[in-house]
Amino acid sequence: AQKVTQAQTEISVVEKEDVTLDCVYETRDTTYYLFWYKQPPSGELVFLIRRNSFDEQNEISGRYSWNFQKSTSSFNFTITASQVVDSAVYFCALMGPNFNKFYFGSGTKLNVKP
Amino acid sequence: GAVVSQHPSWVICKSGTSVKIECRSLDFQATTMFWYRQFPKQSLMLMATSNEGSKATYEQGVEKDKFLINHASLTLSTLTVTSAHPEDSSFYICSAMTTYRDTQGSIQYFGAGTRLSVL
Repeated sequence: AQKVTQAQTEISVVEKEDVTLDCVYETRDTTYYLFWYKQPPSGELVFLIRRNSFDEQNEISGRYSWNFQKSTSSFNFTITASQVVDSAVYFCALMGPNFNKFYFGSGTKLNVKP
Repeated sequence: GAVVSQHPSWVICKSGTSVKIECRSLDFQATTMFWYRQFPKQSLMLMATSNEGSKATYEQGVEKDKFLINHASLTLSTLTVTSAHPEDSSFYICSAMTTYRDTQGSIQYFGAGTRLSVL
């Protein structure tokens, strides 16, 4: 069975703090893909990153970084020096090798206060 | 990144009327599009998978006759909510999947969503 768990329902931080959003996944597939999306209050989901199961290299993009660890089935997302504009709901998602379905986590709402 | 246009962004209608929502991939072809429904403060719930030129695949519990999906071209899929009722009020989101598949896999790009309010 495929499943994505985002245990943190809501996180509040003060601007400039670092914050990590957790994502744990379950799958029996050896090939799979992991994603993070941002949903600001406007509603549109914005693609942030895609990772395949064969590539465990961590990635950094500006203030964003992702830590993929197959040993713990986790794909955590860290925002460094958070800003108010980072306030949004963040979804982690899993897709299997057939590219036919996304499995979304329940989302983590991030509130960054000035 | 790729652009997916969803229209309308907001619609208010009377109970019993039908509402059509369009989803277009503007700068890429998408053989597969997805339709989701999102309730307030909840995650996205997949309603159906739309494949160009074939019938949509509906998730369990989603009424096919209620939510009509047409994927007539590689850039357009439509969702029609027939005989809408207040319980159909929700946020509907479409996504289009890139057809280019490499070892990194495809990406779903999302429309901005349609907020449906049925009075």
